[in-house]
Amino acid sequence: EAQVTQNPRYLITVTGKKLTVTCSQNMNHEYMSWYRQDPGLGLRQIYYSMNVEVTDKGDVPEGYKVSRKEKRNFPLILESPSPNQTSLYFCASSSNRGVGYNEQFFGPGTRLTVL
Amino acid sequence: EDQVTQSPEALRLQEGESSSLNCSYTVSGLRGLFWYRQDPGKGPEFLFTLYSAGEEKEKERLKATLTKKESFLHITAPKPEDSATYLCAVQGAGSYQLTFGKGTKLSVIP
Repeated sequence: EAQVTQNPRYLITVTGKKLTVTCSQNMNHEYMSWYRQDPGLGLRQIYYSMNVEVTDKGDVPEGYKVSRKEKRNFPLILESPSPNQTSLYFCASSSNRGVGYNEQFFGPGTRLTVL
Repeated sequence: EDQVTQSPEALRLQEGESSSLNCSYTVSGLRGLFWYRQDPGKGPEFLFTLYSAGEEKEKERLKATLTKKESFLHITAPKPEDSATYLCAVQGAGSYQLTFGKGTKLSVIP
């Protein structure tokens, strides 16, 4: 089954404790992206990657890191989480036909609480 | 900067009562406009992509249309299972990013 998976699905942590949220897709997609979703603010892009070893900042990259060492995986790293990073996080992927990106497929989400 | 505004923020319909959701956008060269459905606590689910003004796409009770400034998602004879938040997003020319609107929360009452 074609899908985007995220782990963990729920996480409660404390300020300053480094964490990684994993994202994996089995569709051989070139493009992968991370979003956060907050009430009243909608979905905002954190980072995206157009292919292996190619990443770029989205609209709200501060406090986050990413890496793309393999095509299928795109982990999101919070080096020193703070309470304002409490949010619902989504990973997404899509194929690239060269004239633009096709529809993005989203993972199930990771609900993060930073105390 | 690309911008997307969706209206209304929330919409309550009786089962069978048709209506439309609006997505107004500003973008420097539209590469694509996307509609998604999101159920509570779940990831957005892709519905449609529209690429140029005049284009229309349909899926069951949903029909999406596109003009140069806005898109409409028409819902014909909705059922309670159509209740969800509907998200609109745009991708501009030369951009690899999607800009999302804040969504319209649709509730269909039996």
